Amino acid sequence: GAGVSQSPSNKVTEKGKDVELRCDPISGHTALYWYRQSLGQGLEFLIYFQGNSAPDKSGLPSDRFSAERTGGSVSTLTIQRTQQEDSAVYLCASSLEGSGRTYEQYFGPGTRLTVT
Amino acid sequence: QKEVEQNSGPLSVPEGAIASLNCTYSDRGSQSFFWYRQYSGKSPELIMSIYSNGDKEDGRFTAQLNKASQYVSLLIRDSQPSDSATYLCAVKGSGGSNYKLTFGKGTLLTVNP
Repeated sequence: GAGVSQSPSNKVTEKGKDVELRCDPISGHTALYWYRQSLGQGLEFLIYFQGNSAPDKSGLPSDRFSAERTGGSVSTLTIQRTQQEDSAVYLCASSLEGSGRTYEQYFGPGTRLTVT
Repeated sequence: QKEVEQNSGPLSVPEGAIASLNCTYSDRGSQSFFWYRQYSGKSPELIMSIYSNGDKEDGRFTAQLNKASQYVSLLIRDSQPSDSATYLCAVKGSGGSNYKLTFGKGTLLTVNP
């Protein structure tokens, strides 16, 4: 079946502009996650959705970052007034459910964001 | 702050050898452990999950878990050049964080033909 999809695959933007990154999870997966991977850094958790609710936004680095999920499916991560330190690969993952020890997370291909 | 530690490598093994990748974690309450493989420029791909102490085998891969020692490992038998990648250890949180994965920084494995 279809995996997690993300768009765009690459985004180059100028400092100060806003960007929107999209994630379409695996069909039937109720949990969705956003992570960030910077050069030489590990995967950094940003936010978790269960259905349309975001019980954990603790990883969002600043108030310039926001995310929403509609219809229990597609999610959008928005970065306002982008800064150079926002340059990274933004990865989306989904799982059948969120809480519970056996629910495995599957990643999309990522969006590479470059802020110039 | 829950931590997951891996040797960064690079770990270099000859083709056909066994590659051994190790991971330790700090959250004693964690119950779920995962290994992801990440090729350069690609996203992480789940290759193994393990929830109980002991060994779990899947083809050429064996995951080993020792909760008392807070240690998880991945063995790759008959290593192939196509196994060359970064291997990420991920640990699921406990209690109210049992949805969140904490990742190690990964071990870069190179399999030499």
